[in-house]
Amino acid sequence: DAGVIQSPRHEVTEMGQEVTLRCKPISGHDYLFWYRQTMMRGLELLIYFNNNVPIDDSGMPEDRFSAKMPNASFSTLKIQPSEPRDSAVYFCASSLGTSNQPQHFGDGTRLSIL
Amino acid sequence: KQEVTQIPAALSVPEGENLVLNCSFTDSAIYNLQWFRQDPGKGLTSLLLIQSSQREQTSGRLNASLDKSSGRSTLYIAASQPGDSATYLCAVVSGNQGGKLIFGQGTELSVKP
Repeated sequence: DAGVIQSPRHEVTEMGQEVTLRCKPISGHDYLFWYRQTMMRGLELLIYFNNNVPIDDSGMPEDRFSAKMPNASFSTLKIQPSEPRDSAVYFCASSLGTSNQPQHFGDGTRLSIL
Repeated sequence: KQEVTQIPAALSVPEGENLVLNCSFTDSAIYNLQWFRQDPGKGLTSLLLIQSSQREQTSGRLNASLDKSSGRSTLYIAASQPGDSATYLCAVVSGNQGGKLIFGQGTELSVKP
């Protein structure tokens, strides 16, 4: 059974460019989460979806960040325009529920904005 | 606002030792507490999940306990092995913050052969 799949694994781009990160959750999971991990702030939840609907986006840092989930098997996190301080590892996770099911994480996208 | 703290930040032990990792949280209104393992350059692997009504969970050489009233959890690793070397993260789903996982900063464990 495939786990959570994220692409790309690494992304290096210049500031001002648009960045799109992609995630395919585990089939049948109805919750999808986007996290960001940095040395300074650790792991932070950016946004999560239930049945493709955004439930809590209070962690999205700025209007430059947006996330969509057009169907149950695909989600994107977009940064436009990107800035050097957006450099981090971005993780996607999925689960069958929030209160009694573990979250399963992808291997992350390591993003570097020059 | 829920805060999760893990002590120590780093730990180095010789192979074969039993060890305990600590996690504390400020708000006892949690749905569950989860322990994860993170290897360098990888995502997180869920190790154990303890529901708020449970006191402990066991998986192989791992045992996690939960004391909600005192806001504490421990992860006990028996007979440590070099393959246990990784960063261990504790996270809670807090009752008043929706389904969010609030993470601690992690404990970096090194088991020396």
